[in-house]
Amino acid sequence: AQRVTQPEKLLSVFKGAPVELKCNYSYSGSPELFWYVQYSRQRLQLLLRHISRESIKGFTADLNKGETSFHLKKPFAQEEDSAMYYCALSGPFSGGYNKLIFGAGTRLAVHP
Amino acid sequence: DTEVTQTPKHLVMGMTNKKSLKCEQHMGHRAMYWYKQKAKKPPELMFVYSYEKLSINESVPSRFSPECPNSSLLNLHLHALQPEDSALYLCASSPLRASSYEQYFGPGTRLTVT
Repeated sequence: AQRVTQPEKLLSVFKGAPVELKCNYSYSGSPELFWYVQYSRQRLQLLLRHISRESIKGFTADLNKGETSFHLKKPFAQEEDSAMYYCALSGPFSGGYNKLIFGAGTRLAVHP
Repeated sequence: DTEVTQTPKHLVMGMTNKKSLKCEQHMGHRAMYWYKQKAKKPPELMFVYSYEKLSINESVPSRFSPECPNSSLLNLHLHALQPEDSALYLCASSPLRASSYEQYFGPGTRLTVT
C-alpha cells in the first residue's frame, strides 16, 4: 500500500539551530516525492521535489531509496520557517492518473 | 498567470442551501483536483478531473457534485451539506506529463455549514 509517514507532529527549535523533518514512504515502484509547506493563512505551496535536487529557502531533501526516506533539512532555522510541512508522494497509479498522498504533517515552530 | 484562484474565500451556508465553489487556472494544466482539508490535517483527495473528464471519485457523498465546464474551470456544487462538511476546500491543478507530477494549489474556500 502507498503510504507516507511523518513521525513528528511538532518540531520545536530555536533560531539558528539545525532542522530535520522526517519522512518515510511506502510505494511499490518509482515514486516522485515532494515537500509542501503551508504558512499560516497562506496556500499550500510546493517547496521541493526530489527530481529537482535543488535548495529552496535553504532547505534540501535527499531521496534515500534504501531507507525509503525523504527527510527535509535546513542547517540554520529562521523564525519565518515556522509553518506546517507536508511530505507527499505521487506516481503513475493504475489508470494513469497521478494522485498525491500526503503524510500527516509536521508543524515546525522556530523560537527566537 | 501562474496561480490557481478560488472563489469565494469564505462561505457560510445552511444545511438546506445550494451553493457552488469555483476554481480557475490558466496554466494550461489538464488535470484538476478537489481536496477537503480539516484543521491541522493533510488535504484529502475528493475528485480528479483529467482532460475535463471525471477520473477519480474518492467515494465522496453525492451532496458534493463536481463539474468541469472547460480545461480552465472547475466547480464544486454543494447541496444539503452537514455540519461535519465544514472545512477548507482546496482546488489544485497539474500538468499531465509523465515527467512531472507536482500539483499547484489554490488558497481554498473556507466553508462553514450551520
